[in-house]
Amino acid sequence: GQNIDQPTEMTATEGAIVQINCTYQTSGFNGLFWYQQHAGEAPTFLSYNVLDGLEEKGRFSSFLSRSKGYSYLLLKELQMKDSASYLCAALYNFNKFYFGSGTKLNVKP
Amino acid sequence: NAGVTQTPKFQVLKTGQSMTLQCAQDMNHEYMSWYRQDPGMGLRLIHYSVGAGITDQGEVPNGYNVSRSTTEDFPLRLLSAAPSQTSVYFCASREPGQGRAFFGQGTRLTVV
Repeated sequence: GQNIDQPTEMTATEGAIVQINCTYQTSGFNGLFWYQQHAGEAPTFLSYNVLDGLEEKGRFSSFLSRSKGYSYLLLKELQMKDSASYLCAALYNFNKFYFGSGTKLNVKP
Repeated sequence: NAGVTQTPKFQVLKTGQSMTLQCAQDMNHEYMSWYRQDPGMGLRLIHYSVGAGITDQGEVPNGYNVSRSTTEDFPLRLLSAAPSQTSVYFCASREPGQGRAFFGQGTRLTVV
């Protein structure tokens, strides 16, 4: 499989900004997706990037650099409900998603 | 719209038993897939289908069979369950091209 790497766990304070990084292999790459998963629940779609640059969606933004094989998810104005796992997923050959192991984000008061 | 529906939500099997995990979607998506999620390992692709009658293997296909007779349904069969197949299974369907995937609520399977 493809190596999709992201940090295992991060902690941030309510109201702050946090950046979750993800690296992936570039051969056959089509696009990069971010999902949120609360404990015991299904992943839900947050954002995706196909071209280089920043995509903004309310408090969430995602960045992609195709040449570097790098993406990040930026969460602003953190809320307690943002405590969850964030999954980085890369699409290859238009048919196969490969997921990272997920980054567990702990938001503290 | 119901989206992606998986049944059952929970299942306990004995080693060697067989069963089918059901998955149905009502979004008319051609692409459907099955993943398993184990602690610390993220989601791993088991099998996928790009349309009725067409299936292919993902990262971890051994021990699992699939078929796709209709656009709506994509069942996953375990022919002879093993304790290593204890996991949470997610079915997903995806919008065309580079579209986003929608996940079912998952099936928590325990093999004893």
